[in-house]
Amino acid sequence: SAVISQKPSRDICQRGTSLTIQCQVDSQVTMMFWYRQQPGQSLTLIATANQGSEATYESGFVIDKFPISRPNLTFSTLTVSNMSPEDSSIYLCSGRDNSYEQYFGPGTRLTVT
Amino acid sequence: QQPVQSPQAVILREGEDAVINCSSSKALYSVHWYRQKHGEAPVFLMILLKGGEQKGHEKISASFNEKKQQSSLYLTASQLSYSGTYFCGTESPQGGSEKLVFGKGTKLTVNP
Repeated sequence: SAVISQKPSRDICQRGTSLTIQCQVDSQVTMMFWYRQQPGQSLTLIATANQGSEATYESGFVIDKFPISRPNLTFSTLTVSNMSPEDSSIYLCSGRDNSYEQYFGPGTRLTVT
Repeated sequence: QQPVQSPQAVILREGEDAVINCSSSKALYSVHWYRQKHGEAPVFLMILLKGGEQKGHEKISASFNEKKQQSSLYLTASQLSYSGTYFCGTESPQGGSEKLVFGKGTKLTVNP
């Protein structure tokens, strides 16, 4: 199974600023994804991070707000841009390996004031 | 389309069994099950693929009815450590997409 780490684990940011979240996987994964989860709620897919090309975004999420990079098979970043209090949430990185199993990182708890 | 989970919550005594259901209005390629404890990341439990292949733990099993687009997770002889919120994630065969869409979750509480 893949082990996924994220940095930072939590942050408190002021509105209008940006935060970049890093995701590192300990082994190569075929797919990487970014999810958002409000406390007590389900997981909402933001985008699929594609290696060497633009991410594929879900309805309601745009590249200008959530730019994503994936320079190689084990690393990805998600930036939350021009933050507002509505962006306060837990952001989770996820990776799927060759066995089709999908794993999650510990999450980044973001609070925007 | 978000899959529908039932029940929304269940309370058990240690040693009792539970079944959690997940249904979709779309054809499914796979169903993934996760357990999430408060303040922690979701933990992978099991994957069920179209065609009947099943993976997962010994005391936790699952079924996948492709025709009905439903999956059920069976928790046998529940332990205190089973407490948490269970999510199903479904994957539909659309244009090569491999993304998972998650249900709203089932909160399971196991009491001594």
